[in-house]
Amino acid sequence: AQRVTQPEKLLSVFKGAPVELKCNYSYSGSPELFWYVQYSRQRLQLLLRHISRESIKGFTADLNKGETSFHLKKPFAQEEDSAMYYCAQSKLTFGKGITLSVRP
Amino acid sequence: DTEVTQTPKHLVMGMTNKKSLKCEQHMGHRAMYWYKQKAKKPPELMFVYSYEKLSINESVPSRFSPECPNSSLLNLHLHALQPEDSALYLCASSQGSVGLYNEQFFGPGTRLTVL
Repeated sequence: AQRVTQPEKLLSVFKGAPVELKCNYSYSGSPELFWYVQYSRQRLQLLLRHISRESIKGFTADLNKGETSFHLKKPFAQEEDSAMYYCAQSKLTFGKGITLSVRP
Repeated sequence: DTEVTQTPKHLVMGMTNKKSLKCEQHMGHRAMYWYKQKAKKPPELMFVYSYEKLSINESVPSRFSPECPNSSLLNLHLHALQPEDSALYLCASSQGSVGLYNEQFFGPGTRLTVL
C-alpha cells in the first residue's frame, strides 16, 4: 500500500530559525506528492506540489527519490507559519500531520 | 468564484434521523471528494466522483450515501449514523480526476455531531 509518513507530531521553533518538516513516502513508481497547510480556523489548502518545484511563502520541498523523502523546508520561520502541515500523495492519502509552532 | 462551499456549517442529529450534507463549486472542476476528519487527525478519504460518476468508495458504511446530481454539486446523505461518526466532513474538488497533478480545493467543512 502507498503510504506517507510524517514521523514527528510537533515542531516548535523560535522566529527566524530554520524549519524542516519531514515526509517519507513508500511508492515504487513516480510519486505525486503535495504539502497541505491548515491555519487555525481556516480551511485546508495546498501549499506546494512536487511537480511545480516552486517556493510558496518561503517554503520549498524537494523530492529525493533515493531517500524517498519530500521534506518541507524554510530557512527563516515566521510566527504566521504556525499551522498544521500535512504531506499527501496522489492516491489521496494524507500523512498524520505535524503542528508547527513558531514562537516570537 | 474560486471557492468550495459547504452547508450546513454545523449539524446535530440523532441516530434515527436522515440528513444531507451539501457541497458546491463553480470552478468547472470535474472531480469532487468527501473526506472525514476527526479532531487532530488527518482527513480520511471517503468517496471520489469523477465526471459525475463514483470512482472511489473507500469501504465506507452504507449509512453514508453520496450523490452527484451535476458537475457542480455533491451531496452526502446520512441515515442511521452512530455517535462515532461525529467528525468534520470535508468536501474538495479538483480540475481533473484522481491520479493527475491536480490541486484539491477544500471547503470549510460541516461539523457533524451524532447524539
